[in-house]
Amino acid sequence: SQQGEEDPQALSIQEGENATMNCSYKTSINNLQWYRQNSGRGLVHLILIRSNEREKHSGRLRVTLDTSKKSSSLLITASRAADTASYFCATSGRSQGNLIFGKGTKLSVKP
Amino acid sequence: GAGVSQSPSNKVTEKGKDVELRCDPISGHTALYWYRQSLGQGLEFLIYFQGNSAPDKSGLPSDRFSAERTGGSVSTLTIQRTQQEDSAVYLCASSLSTTRDEQYFGPGTRLTVT
Repeated sequence: SQQGEEDPQALSIQEGENATMNCSYKTSINNLQWYRQNSGRGLVHLILIRSNEREKHSGRLRVTLDTSKKSSSLLITASRAADTASYFCATSGRSQGNLIFGKGTKLSVKP
Repeated sequence: GAGVSQSPSNKVTEKGKDVELRCDPISGHTALYWYRQSLGQGLEFLIYFQGNSAPDKSGLPSDRFSAERTGGSVSTLTIQRTQQEDSAVYLCASSLSTTRDEQYFGPGTRLTVT
């Protein structure tokens, strides 16, 4: 069953613009992770934020977590055409080992 | 070191046949996960191995699906009597240990049941 819901489902922007994707989830979490997927194959891990953290940065990526609202956002700054991909949030619960994924946001960055 | 590897990368099989999918996790990772991704269902958890503990099989969709992990390393996912609805990309991931760690994914096996 799906835990996270990404918003928007699809996003189209110009190179150089910022892209923001949101994720909401339903139950208490241990951590939340963001992944990128190109061409429907392997997922690339981008960033992990723990339940006691509020914000995390990695290069052009900024992730926020609001546990009171059960939501997270991923910001990609100064986007590039190579950022075109599907982005998924996934949550890990306190008593579970597996990740529960949202349906993803399809990002298209036009050169 | 090397990432998670999976084989084969593509598999086409006839309905009713059995298939085996293989996953080699990152060396030293004690946790191993299988997921599948299909158009209608998104990314679904199948089964999870952690060290020597009994696997968490709660995501397996039917008793035609089974998995084993030998020697705490390589894992094989077996689907018996394949059905067309089993067509999907099967993804394997590994992590260092517990639920607190990042999961690293292999490239997947695309299974097509004709």
